Amino acid sequence: DVKVTQSSRYLVKRTGEKVFLECVQDMDHENMFWYRQDPGLGLRLIYFSYDVKMKEKGDIPEGYSVSREKKERFSLILESASTNQTSMYLCASSSPGTGGRGYGYTFGSGTRLTVV
Amino acid sequence: DAKTTQPPSMDCAEGRAANLPCNHSTISGNEYVYWYRQIHSQGPQYIIHGLKNNETNEMASLIITEDRKSSTLILPHATLRDTAVYYCIGVGGTSYGKLTFGQGTILTVHP
Repeated sequence: DVKVTQSSRYLVKRTGEKVFLECVQDMDHENMFWYRQDPGLGLRLIYFSYDVKMKEKGDIPEGYSVSREKKERFSLILESASTNQTSMYLCASSSPGTGGRGYGYTFGSGTRLTVV
Repeated sequence: DAKTTQPPSMDCAEGRAANLPCNHSTISGNEYVYWYRQIHSQGPQYIIHGLKNNETNEMASLIITEDRKSSTLILPHATLRDTAVYYCIGVGGTSYGKLTFGQGTILTVHP
């Protein structure tokens, strides 16, 4: 019954590497989101997308980019990974009707990324 | 979106009702109140949402005051598995449903 799938649960990468975090949803949702979660800082929005090939910056987009070539897939890209990007990354999806109505977000299980 | 205020932590005995308060005094007329919870090392999980009326589903009840400045999430018979961080979030209809998470309330259910 998995609805939002993140490609990796744990990931270790080296400083300077290009990192791809993949997220796939099977609910035909228009909106997709990437958050990161750090102790004491809570969840912070990195980027979101409300349609294929559309993207909007969230609160902390620096050092990240995203790609949405297909409706079901939203990728987060770390162009040159740094140690301060070590974090838990969470993907979520929703439909436009859930912005104020409906059943809210569905989150993936998260990817814990460590940059060494 | 409305700023929300929640107590940082609460305790509850297993089998008793857990009542989690949220203050959202700046909420606007078209903003919904959403509740999520996050169990350790998992992604947040949707619980319930409401606009003006009280709501109930299989997980919880949501009581919203008449002036909409505050709400209470009620877990009627808390279990150990309800130990989690609970987030109260105001979401406007024109925000693409972007959720701004605060620090939430850490609920600990004791045997």
